Amino acid sequence: DAGITQSPRHKVTETGTPVTLRCHQTENHRYMYWYRQDPGHGLRLIHYSYGVKDTDKGEVSDGYSVSRSKTEDFLLTLESATSSQTSVYFCAISAGGLTGNTIYFGEGSWLTVV
Amino acid sequence: QQQVKQSPQSLIVQKGGISIINCAYENTAFDYFPWYQQFPGKGPALLIAIRPDVSEKKEGRFTISFNKSAKQFSLHIMDSQPGDSATYFCAASKGGGSNYKLTFGKGTLLTVNP
Repeated sequence: DAGITQSPRHKVTETGTPVTLRCHQTENHRYMYWYRQDPGHGLRLIHYSYGVKDTDKGEVSDGYSVSRSKTEDFLLTLESATSSQTSVYFCAISAGGLTGNTIYFGEGSWLTVV
Repeated sequence: QQQVKQSPQSLIVQKGGISIINCAYENTAFDYFPWYQQFPGKGPALLIAIRPDVSEKKEGRFTISFNKSAKQFSLHIMDSQPGDSATYFCAASKGGGSNYKLTFGKGTLLTVNP
């Protein structure tokens, strides 16, 4: 258990509505990540953070924004959800900064956009 | 542009057999190569990892073989068991600092028949 809590775990929302997923960690790790997992695509990085208010884009960042106002929380927002954003979203954490630091994943948030 | 290519997409092995999953990478700056195991409904969990200064690492029934000149690495599961049935992801990362992140292969679904 890497001390990661994702919420909500399951959500169904309508196209065009905003959605926020929350990742909470209890171990003061510097790095936090949001990945999405889709069949045939594996795990793709959406956004990541390397400190409070320090974030950067990953390979599939379009349509997503993030915020990190305190160390323990990393929020992923879909400003206007689309059906293509139906996916499983994983938050991950790492102490980071050194080669070989392990990245630990949360249990996932299943999002369905109808 | 896929930086980490994983094969096969799926694999069926009999109990007691050897499972082999292969990955190839393009970026010679990668210096950390982990494998993750994921069961249905769960987040990926680190299984074993290797750095390019060694050619092989073994942990129990799991072995990573690394070929730096060919830019390839593979996961071998000896004496495969039905409980090993899961999706396996290879990944790669480079350096540290603010750019610490993993790039994943697309995954291999392993089924071990009893």
